[in-house]
Amino acid sequence: NAGVMQNPRHLVRRRGQEARLRCSPMKGHSHVYWYRQLPEEGLKFMVYLQKENIIDESGMPKERFSAEFPKEGPSILRIQQVVRGDSAAYFCASSPPLGQISGNTIYFGEGSWLTVV
Amino acid sequence: AQTVTQSQPEMSVQEAETVTLSCTYDTSESDYYLFWYKQPPSRQMILVIRQEAYKQQNATENRFSVNFQKAAKSFSLKISDSQLGDAAMYFCAYRSAGGRSNYQLIWGAGTKLIIKP
Repeated sequence: NAGVMQNPRHLVRRRGQEARLRCSPMKGHSHVYWYRQLPEEGLKFMVYLQKENIIDESGMPKERFSAEFPKEGPSILRIQQVVRGDSAAYFCASSPPLGQISGNTIYFGEGSWLTVV
Repeated sequence: AQTVTQSQPEMSVQEAETVTLSCTYDTSESDYYLFWYKQPPSRQMILVIRQEAYKQQNATENRFSVNFQKAAKSFSLKISDSQLGDAAMYFCAYRSAGGRSNYQLIWGAGTKLIIKP
């Protein structure tokens, strides 16, 4: 019973390059969330997606960041033209539909650590 | 807006002893969920325990239990018989049960737990 799978675990990019982070939700989960964790801080909400829909991207920077969750395949968080301030841990989480009792809990992946040099 | 406060940046405990981590929150809502997550050195985010606000009974998971005081808006985590593997950052998190943003987790800043052998 695989959990939330994220890859890559570690990614190094030079300033100006693109970073792509992938997330496969737990089996049976149709809701995906991305959070960012800066050093020595708690997590900050970025975006909430369902299959082929962005429900809430209020926590995501308006420029350079985008996210998708296609009908087939993993969710992708894409950061274009990365800068040093993008260096952080990016966590993906998933849940069943929140109306279900089992949707009360959101399960996290192991995170992807982006380092911009 | 809801907030979560963890007033202890760091706590230490002797192996096999009991330690309590504090968490307070602010909300005007009556129905919500509270969580404790653990982030070990591997940086994975692991769910430790969950509490539904409508339940008066405190949640328990093996050596982990909570003291949920709804009126005081307090949600402390007690770890009994501390083990070396319990060393980690512990985050308290809040989630609304209803409303438009009931999928967002609001996080505290974390408490670093050190286990002394």
